[in-house]
Amino acid sequence: GAGVSQTPSNKVTEKGKYVELRCDPISGHTALYWYRQSLGQGPEFLIYFQGTGAADDSGLPNDRFFAVRPEGSVSTLKIQRTERGDSAVYLCASSSAATDTQYFGPGTRLTVL
Amino acid sequence: AQSVTQPDIHITVSEGASLELRCNYSYGATPYLFWYVQSPGQGLQLLLKYFSGDTLVQGIKGFEAEFKRSQSSFNLRKPSVHWSDAAEYFCAQGDTGRRALTFGSGTRLQVQP
Repeated sequence: GAGVSQTPSNKVTEKGKYVELRCDPISGHTALYWYRQSLGQGPEFLIYFQGTGAADDSGLPNDRFFAVRPEGSVSTLKIQRTERGDSAVYLCASSSAATDTQYFGPGTRLTVL
Repeated sequence: AQSVTQPDIHITVSEGASLELRCNYSYGATPYLFWYVQSPGQGLQLLLKYFSGDTLVQGIKGFEAEFKRSQSSFNLRKPSVHWSDAAEYFCAQGDTGRRALTFGSGTRLQVQP
């Protein structure tokens, strides 16, 4: 079946601009996660949704970052006033209630010039 | 806070040789442990996972891992490496109290012909 999809695959923006990154989880998966992976590092947790609500947003670095999942399926990660340090690959994952296994999408590479 | 250590940043092995990638996790009452593989430009693919039970876990592509609570380790092994195994490997930890995964910094595997 279809896996986790993320759009766009690449996003180039200028410092100070607003960006939105989209994640479409595996159908039926109730849990959705966002991670950020900087060059040469492992992914770092940002936020976790169970259904429509953010169950854990302790990884969001500051209030410029925000994520929503209004209908419990697709999620959007929003970054305001982007900074060069936000450049990274943003990964989305989803899991079902039956297992705690997270399945990852291909990621969105964000470059802030 | 949880932490995952992968002591080897880069490993080179000859094709057909055996492989062991090291992973040490921080103490947790009920650690959930994972190995993921990431090829260039690709998302993370799950190789195997340990939740409980048999401490020797079999995964895809001929990989296995052994959970050793006394050593806080979850090392990944393969008896005979193929050139297509060249990639970055990440160990990750979750637990029952927190759904977010904590990743190690990764080990890059090169395979020599």
